[in-house]
Order: sequence, then structure tokens, then C-alpha cells
Amino acid sequence: GQQLNQSPQSMFIQEGEDVSMNCTSSSIFNTWLWYKQDPGEGPVLLIALYKAGELTSNGRLTAQFGITRKDSFLNISASIPSDVGIYFCAGRNYGGSQGNLIFGKGTKLSVKP
Amino acid sequence: GAVVSQHPSWVICKSGTSVKIECRSLDFQATTMFWYRQFPKQSLMLMATSNEGSKATYEQGVEKDKFLINHASLTLSTLTVTSAHPEDSSFYICSANEREQFFGPGTRLTVL
Repeated sequence: GQQLNQSPQSMFIQEGEDVSMNCTSSSIFNTWLWYKQDPGEGPVLLIALYKAGELTSNGRLTAQFGITRKDSFLNISASIPSDVGIYFCAGRNYGGSQGNLIFGKGTKLSVKP
Repeated sequence: GAVVSQHPSWVICKSGTSVKIECRSLDFQATTMFWYRQFPKQSLMLMATSNEGSKATYEQGVEKDKFLINHASLTLSTLTVTSAHPEDSSFYICSANEREQFFGPGTRLTVL
């Protein structure tokens, strides 16, 4: 079946540092989404990408839809303690229904003040 | 916009009882809602797709008689865990479609 490889699994960084995480797929996607999940909460949509090459920002967050349509990255600039959480990428492939989101295994971010 | 609520946020029940979890889209109508299950330190696992006015579509390996889904209106879907057992203890999260999936806050189910 389709798989999403999300890396790194976890990150420990100092407040103020920039963060980068990425997802790669074994097949082509037409949509890439990035969610953040706080402990005991549901995921919150951060950024949605719909076109190959698209670069979208949301505050200190920037995400890109890879040209090959098989990858995406998320960057967080100048990290702050509230950035702590688990970040999930999710993709949808051509022909998939709205429900056919495939999730990465998540990147756990820890920020040291 | 695109706010999804869940109720209850947590529930503890005895083995053998049934538990109902509600998922509501508060500021939009959703013909399609989704139910996920999440184990600790793991990703989300899609259980079923709930369609307003029709039967839910279950993912492979999910028992439809165990996890009853009802989507009676455009803003409400319910998941009932029937005859719950300790292995059903988990974090259940719903989502609703407003172009993309927006998630509820989740329900922590603990079966004793």
C-alpha cells in the first residue's frame, strides 16, 4: 500500500532555531497537508498545498509541495516553546476521495527555552 | 471557521457497556465525516467514513457491528462502541470536510 515516510521522527531544538521536516511518498499526490497535534487534542490544519512547486506560508511556518509531487517539507522559523507538539504530514493522491488522506507517522518537536 | 466539536472529551466505562461519541460541525455543514483511532505515540488510523443519509464505509479490519456509525444530519455524526472491552481503549478523533479535513478535539475512551 501507499506509504508516507516522515522525518525526522523527533527533534530537540533550542528556542529561536529554525526547524525543517519532510515527507516523501512512494506515489504521486495531488494534495499535501500539514497538521499539528498537541497532547490530548485533535490535529489542527496548518497549511494545505495543491500544486506542484507551491510554496505557502502561515506566519512562521512555510511548506512546499515538491516538484516531483512525491514530497513536501515544512519549515518553522525562529521556534518558540508553543511550537512543541507532533507535526503530521498527510497526502491525497489523484482519484482519491476526500477521505483518502494518508498520514505520516509524525515528527515530535521539543523546544528548549 | 471550520470548527468541529466532540463530546464527551473523555469517558471511562465498564467492560461490556456501550459508549456513544458525538461529532459536530459547528459552523458548516458536512455531508462527510471521518472517524479515526489513535494509539499512544502513533499516527491516526482511519476507521470509517460517515456519510449523511447513507451507510458508513468502514476500513478493512474495522468491525462495523462493533463500531456503529450514524450520520443523521449534516452537522452530527455519532460513533457507538458496542460491548466495549479494554482493548477498545484509545483516543478517538472525528473530522469533517470543509474542503479539507478539520478535526475535533478527540475523545479519550478508557474501558475498565
